[in-house]
Amino acid sequence: KNEVEQSPQNLTAQEGEFITINCSYSVGISALHWLQQHPGGGIVSLFMLSSGKKKHGRLIATINIQEKHSSLHITASHPRDSAVYICAVGGSQGNLIFGKGTKLSVKP
Amino acid sequence: GAGVSQSPSNKVTEKGKDVELRCDPISGHTALYWYRQSLGQGLEFLIYFQGNSAPDKSGLPSDRFSAERTGGSVSTLTIQRTQQEDSAVYLCASSLVQSVYEQYFGPGTRLTVT
Repeated sequence: KNEVEQSPQNLTAQEGEFITINCSYSVGISALHWLQQHPGGGIVSLFMLSSGKKKHGRLIATINIQEKHSSLHITASHPRDSAVYICAVGGSQGNLIFGKGTKLSVKP
Repeated sequence: GAGVSQSPSNKVTEKGKDVELRCDPISGHTALYWYRQSLGQGLEFLIYFQGNSAPDKSGLPSDRFSAERTGGSVSTLTIQRTQQEDSAVYLCASSLVQSVYEQYFGPGTRLTVT
């Protein structure tokens, strides 16, 4: 079993829809990261959180430490949100342990 | 303010040759990480540096892989006697200190072993 599980693997949405990507983990963590990777592009850190909820523009990330679960929400989705979203947890050494990613495609 | 830079951006090499990949972290960042993303696979951790020392080398896939960091800044990842399975995008990230700080990723080096 992977230490970090994401769902769904693939997600297609219509522009304007509310999107949720889920992440469950089985290891103790110092922090959880949500990353975004565009096709052919680099990786951008969206959020790093260890408790509660964070919001940046149309993106919201939540984490439940007791349940070892996090969600990434995108409100009013747009085609430019199309990317791979990766959940990663911080190990004790600071290195990241990654989920396999969720490929999001938002259709106009 | 420059971000993390990596060179080369692309490298094509013949099987059996050695390659060196370079990472320039953000100035002042003491923690540096190397990751690998193979085609169709997720990201995997290779090695991390705190300053010049590498307390965790557990992610290096074989003894053909080595890395060093000098002056607490630039790091090089060396792959000796490259194999086709080494083909991947090699990503470097840096953070202010380890563990609880955001990591900033470089653009990666795409390595193709023919």
